[in-house]
Amino acid sequence: TAGITQAPTSQILAAGRSMTLRCTQDMRHNAMYWYRQDLGLGLRLIHYSNTAGTTGKGEVPDGYSVSRANTDDFPLTLASAVPSQTSVYFCASSDETSGRAQPHQFFGPGTRLTVL
Amino acid sequence: GQNIDQPTEMTATEGAIVQINCTYQTSGFNGLFWYQQHAGEAPTFLSYNVLDGLEEKGRFSSFLSRSKGYSYLLLKELQMKDSASYLCAVIDSNYQLIWGAGTKLIIKP
Repeated sequence: TAGITQAPTSQILAAGRSMTLRCTQDMRHNAMYWYRQDLGLGLRLIHYSNTAGTTGKGEVPDGYSVSRANTDDFPLTLASAVPSQTSVYFCASSDETSGRAQPHQFFGPGTRLTVL
Repeated sequence: GQNIDQPTEMTATEGAIVQINCTYQTSGFNGLFWYQQHAGEAPTFLSYNVLDGLEEKGRFSSFLSRSKGYSYLLLKELQMKDSASYLCAVIDSNYQLIWGAGTKLIIKP
């Protein structure tokens, strides 16, 4: 099984340009997440979705938007990129149903984004 | 505010034992995770503790004390491939996952 895939693997983007980072999972997990990871900091939640059709803001949502049209896909869009958005972006998913033994998150391989 | 503290970096010798500590102050507690992250890769799940005590899984064990806001990850018979960052994360009362900055573990031959 593929688990979670992300695209692109890496990208260099000019400031002011827009970009969509793609995330797809094949585990039929109801919850999905977008994180950014910067050196010396923990993973910081950007946006999340508990189920298809719903989204919520995380710790650092400004400058980012998401959509969840179906269970499998959870794209992250930067409308007008700025250099401070240079980071590694991870998409994750989890099975947020009651009674699960270990509700851990599964992570995609990440997208390395550089905004110049 | 919510906070998770882990040492930034630790060094250990191949074949030895190392303990990585994690202390947390969060609004409520609904479980604690340990993840492993090799350089340039995604985090992968190691362990989950929700009750006090020790959970053993092969060479890795994780301990939790909810009253002390404390956990540790114990790695035995260290191998070079254990060189990685180890992330502690806590589920708070709102079922949000709060992440520590991670501990970089360097294994020397």
